[in-house]
Amino acid sequence: GNSVTQMEGPVTLSEEAFLTINCTYTATGYPSLFWYVQYPGEGLQLLLKATKADDKGSNKGFEATYRKETTSFHLEKGSVQVSDSAVYFCALSRVANQAGTALIFGKGTTLSVSS
Amino acid sequence: KAGVTQTPRYLIKTRGQQVTLSCSPISGHRSVSWYQQTPGQGLQFLFEYFSETQRNKGNFPGRFSGRQFSNSRSEMNVSTLELGDSALYLCASSLEVAGKEQETQYFGPGTRLLVL
Repeated sequence: GNSVTQMEGPVTLSEEAFLTINCTYTATGYPSLFWYVQYPGEGLQLLLKATKADDKGSNKGFEATYRKETTSFHLEKGSVQVSDSAVYFCALSRVANQAGTALIFGKGTTLSVSS
Repeated sequence: KAGVTQTPRYLIKTRGQQVTLSCSPISGHRSVSWYQQTPGQGLQFLFEYFSETQRNKGNFPGRFSGRQFSNSRSEMNVSTLELGDSALYLCASSLEVAGKEQETQYFGPGTRLLVL
């Protein structure tokens, strides 16, 4: 079945460090891939997405490239800030025969950035 | 444009009771999905509604049900609550354009349910 695997956290970094959060997926067909972020006490916010192979999603300095050959969608940021501290979720849209979409999420990776 | 809103934000119930949660999607969005978030199981899909019809369903018992109204607002109901139902319940809406569903889902802040 379809699934998403994220690197285990927590990830602890100093401000201005480089960030990578690994995400790999298993899916039939050609799903869209997403990164969502959840700040404490809040719902999920869409961070970026990619809808086909080799697409690069980017937003607020974060980037991820849809790699079909390695079934990966790793999240990167060149210089993290304290305000980036949150839980990050990788997700794919379930490719369904019927209409409609359900997102399948990874377990989430907690990022903690210190000044 | 207002985002997805959910009410109530917090709820405390006891075992055996039932609960109804409400979700108002972004204006113009007709698809509403519900997810359960727990520390142990993470984020799991409950069901999706579109045009007042359930279009997709996750692997949850029949105690979990939902509905959607003609204005796209949705409610989910959990009957005979169990301790394990304590969770953050998230609602998400998405847009459908010219018969093609847009896969991006926009989430509300969630309703945190505690079952005692």
